[in-house]
Amino acid sequence: KAGVTQTPRYLIKTRGQQVTLSCSPISGHRSVSWYQQTPGQGLQFLFEYFSETQRNKGNFPGRFSGRQFSNSRSEMNVSTLELGDSALYLCASSLETGVTEAFFGQGTRLTVV
Amino acid sequence: DQQVKQNSPSLSVQEGRISILNCDYTNSMFDYFLWYKKYPAEGPTFLISISSIKDKNEDGRFTVFLNKSAKHLSLHIVPSQPGDSAVYFCAARDVLAGTASKLTFGTGTRLQVTL
Repeated sequence: KAGVTQTPRYLIKTRGQQVTLSCSPISGHRSVSWYQQTPGQGLQFLFEYFSETQRNKGNFPGRFSGRQFSNSRSEMNVSTLELGDSALYLCASSLETGVTEAFFGQGTRLTVV
Repeated sequence: DQQVKQNSPSLSVQEGRISILNCDYTNSMFDYFLWYKKYPAEGPTFLISISSIKDKNEDGRFTVFLNKSAKHLSLHIVPSQPGDSAVYFCAARDVLAGTASKLTFGTGTRLQVTL
């Protein structure tokens, strides 16, 4: 069974640009969540999608957005990139059938210069 | 406002001894707690979890203890092995979130198991 796949693994962008990150969940998983990991801040919840609808949103500015497709694949977009957006962006999928853990992908390392 | 706190950024333990990683939380609405392990350049890997209705859960060398009155949980690894060297994250689910996927994480504890 394939795990959570995130692409690309590494990305370098300049300030002001926008970026789109992709996440393919584990087959059969319908919930996809996104997290930002920065040194000293741990993992911060960005948002969660389930059945193509955003269910939860963390405390991030509107420059951070996402969507989910009918096959449960998800994308997140960051517009007008700032240096502080440099981080590891992690995607997690879960089955959503009661209490269960979330399975993480390897992440996309975004560097804004 | 850090609702899940891991006050020890690092811990060094000798191989074969017990590793105890601690986690404190402030939100009384957390109903489910998880521990994740993370190696560099990889995503977090689920380790063990515990529901708020229990005070202990064991899985092989890993045991998680929950003290609800103190809002404290701990992860015990016995015996510790060099392959356990990683960053350990404590995470909690808010029952109001209504989903297993919105987790609040601590900042992590780096465990180093020495020979």
